[in-house]
Amino acid sequence: AQSVTQPDIHITVSEGASLELRCNYSYGATPYLFWYVQSPGQGLQLLLKYFSGDTLVQGIKGFEAEFKRSQSSFNLRKPSVHWSDAAEYFCAVANYNNNDMRFGAGTRLTVKP
Amino acid sequence: DVKVTQSSRYLVKRTGEKVFLECVQDMDHENMFWYRQDPGLGLRLIYFSYDVKMKEKGDIPEGYSVSREKKERFSLILESASTNQTSMYLCASSLLGTMNTEAFFGQGTRLTVV
Repeated sequence: AQSVTQPDIHITVSEGASLELRCNYSYGATPYLFWYVQSPGQGLQLLLKYFSGDTLVQGIKGFEAEFKRSQSSFNLRKPSVHWSDAAEYFCAVANYNNNDMRFGAGTRLTVKP
Repeated sequence: DVKVTQSSRYLVKRTGEKVFLECVQDMDHENMFWYRQDPGLGLRLIYFSYDVKMKEKGDIPEGYSVSREKKERFSLILESASTNQTSMYLCASSLLGTMNTEAFFGQGTRLTVV
């Protein structure tokens, strides 16, 4: 089955600084890739998704992610972090039927004033 | 809007009890999922289903079973609850084999087994 690795358990950045969260996947075919965010005490919210086409995808809240097939990566980026971005971020991969979705362990983001 | 509803937000059960967690979605989605979420481990897939009466094991099916008798409802069953099943349980649904869609999640059930 497919799998996801998020190498960074916890990242701290200063407000206004840029952000990159790493995600590596394992899947034998073209994957469907997602980033979700979970704020404290809240449910999961989709930030963005990749299915095909342009490898740079734009999402909500100013986030973007780039699919790199050669590196099996789907890293999440934001040029300038806001204090409200403090949350846990999950990368996920689904199979071609979109019915077997696996998540990474998550990266917790702390934003310093 | 898609709505995925889990029957309880908080549940406390005793060791050895049979526990049912219910999930209902209102968007006619074929796929439904059960995950458990633990700190440092992310979301781990327990079971998923792509059709009525169909089920597939995920990464951690041991100690759990599922039931899907109707398209909109997916139940997770803990046959004999144990303390190591104390966790947050998340249900999700999505369309089958359709591009440019995603999974929608319920608010979760925090289960404590004492």
